[in-house]
Order: sequence, then C-alpha cells, then structure tokens
Amino acid sequence: GDSVTQMEGPVTLSEEAFLTINCTYTATGYPSLFWYVQYPGEGLQLLLKATKADDKGSNKGFEATYRKETTSFHLEKGSVQVSDSAVYFCALSLINTGKLIFGQGTTLQVKP
Amino acid sequence: EPEVTQTPSHQVTQMGQEVILRCVPISNHLYFYWYRQILGQKVEFLVSFYNNEISEKSEIFDDQFSVERPDGSNFTLKIRSTKLEDSAMYFCATFLFPTEAFFGQGTRLTVV
Repeated sequence: GDSVTQMEGPVTLSEEAFLTINCTYTATGYPSLFWYVQYPGEGLQLLLKATKADDKGSNKGFEATYRKETTSFHLEKGSVQVSDSAVYFCALSLINTGKLIFGQGTTLQVKP
Repeated sequence: EPEVTQTPSHQVTQMGQEVILRCVPISNHLYFYWYRQILGQKVEFLVSFYNNEISEKSEIFDDQFSVERPDGSNFTLKIRSTKLEDSAMYFCATFLFPTEAFFGQGTRLTVV
C-alpha cells in the first residue's frame, strides 16, 4: 500500500546549521507530496508542497524537490533558527483527494 | 486566511462515556476528514466524508466511531464508548480540489 518513511529523530542542530530531513514514499499512482510542521502545542500547518515530478516546493527558507526516480522528497534548509524547532511530517496524497498519508514525523531541536 | 475550527481544544472523559468532537470547516470546502495522532506517534487517517456520506474509512474507524454533518456546517466525530487507547489528538481537515488540506488546531482527548 501507499506509505511514507521519514528519517528517525530527534535531529538536534545548532543555530545556522544546514538541515536535511529525509523522506521517501511508496505510491501506486502519482501522488502530491507535502511537508507539514507542528509547533509545540499547535496543529498541523502546511509548510510546502509539490504536485509533480521535479517540482520544487519552498517556503520560509525550506525547500524540497519531488524526485520520482528516487521516490524522495527530502526537506532542506540552509540555516536553521531556534524558532524552527518543531515536528516535521512528510505526507502524500493521491490525485483528486485530500486524504493524506503521513510519515512518522521527525522532531527538530535547534539550539542557540 | 480561512481556517478550520475545532472544539473543544481539550476533553477529559471517563472510559465508556460518549464524546463528540466538533469541527467547523472552511465554508466552500467539500471534503472533510478526521485524523488521529496518539502521543508521539504518526498522524493516522480515520475517515473521509463527502456529499453527506463516508467516502473512505480506515481500519481504526470501527463501529464505535461515527461522523455526521448534522446542520450543514459543523462536522462531528462521535466515539460511542471511549477506551483508554482512544486518548489522542484528533484533527479535522477540509479540502477543496485542487488546493491542499487545511487542518484545525486539534482536540486533545484524554480517556481516564
């Protein structure tokens, strides 16, 4: 079945370090791919998305590129801030539905 | 910015009691979802609802669960007889093709 796998956390970085959170997926069709962020005590917020192969989603300095050949959608940021500390979820949805399949989440801790 | 509103934000209930979680979706959205996140675990799909009926449900969504949109605005999730393992954060999400799903802030359900 369709699934999403993320790298295990927590990821602990110093401020201004480079961030990569790996995400790979398995899907029978051509999914859209998403990164959602959950700040402490809050709900899920869409961070970025990509709807087809080679699309790059970007927002707030975060980027992810839809790689069909490697079935990946890795999240990157060049310089993290303490305020980026949160749980990051990679997710996919199949075309024409809003149903999301989530990865297990990766906790990011950024220290000053 | 449009938002999905969930009430209550936190509910504590005794095992065996019925609970109703409420969601006010974005007004022109047509697809509605409930997801569950057990503490520290992944976000799991429970059920999708379209055109006043369930369009898909997961294995988690057994006979103890039901959803409805009683007055054309609120979208509710009912758990008839709560169990300890129902303790989780419950998220409502709404969707209008081709945009992304929008999530509410969640209801934290604690069964004691």
